[in-house]
Amino acid sequence: LAKTTQPISMDSYEGQEVNITCSHNNIATNDYITWYQQFPSQGPRFIIQGYKTKVTNEVASLFIPADRKSSTLSLPRVSLSDTAVYYCLVGSASKIIFGSGTRLSIRP
Amino acid sequence: NAGVTQTPKFQVLKTGQSMTLQCAQDMNHEYMSWYRQDPGMGLRLIHYSVGAGITDQGEVPNGYNVSRSTTEDFPLRLLSAAPSQTSVYFCASKDRAHSGNTIYFGEGSWLTVV
Repeated sequence: LAKTTQPISMDSYEGQEVNITCSHNNIATNDYITWYQQFPSQGPRFIIQGYKTKVTNEVASLFIPADRKSSTLSLPRVSLSDTAVYYCLVGSASKIIFGSGTRLSIRP
Repeated sequence: NAGVTQTPKFQVLKTGQSMTLQCAQDMNHEYMSWYRQDPGMGLRLIHYSVGAGITDQGEVPNGYNVSRSTTEDFPLRLLSAAPSQTSVYFCASKDRAHSGNTIYFGEGSWLTVV
């Protein structure tokens, strides 16, 4: 997997849009970018995956610039229940190493 | 569809005891792995398997053994439990080893070593 860099933590308020950026300068041509969400006392779960431009689902949007060296997870109108750790993974290696992720705290 | 099932959910061990954490998946996934997560920390890869009969070490393999005799099962054995192994353990799987496809996690096994 390509090495990724994310902010360690972020704070926001209910109703705001939150953008979490992940840097992955060594992304390979065939690599997909995948984001996972982990609530306390639970295993991570898949949120969204993309290869280029923009992907949107019912939970989030993923923006990927043309050079693909970074990606931004966008959570629209967050609520308290979006408080979690968010992980960015890039690539398809068998030895899957999770980084520290971004700890997102949402306040009322 | 059960997905990834881990047992037991909670376990207390005495130092020096051995035990096995069970993991089973019913999705015919080729790839399985074990992680541990200490309080407030990220996931650390213990061991992984790219198919039946094949296992390899992750970031923190010491003190743990694994085997993969079937596609469905990937048990994690603690040889001689130590307090430093107190953690939450997550089993995970995905359909093919070398793919960017979705990784599915179990609900976790909480282990306390006293």
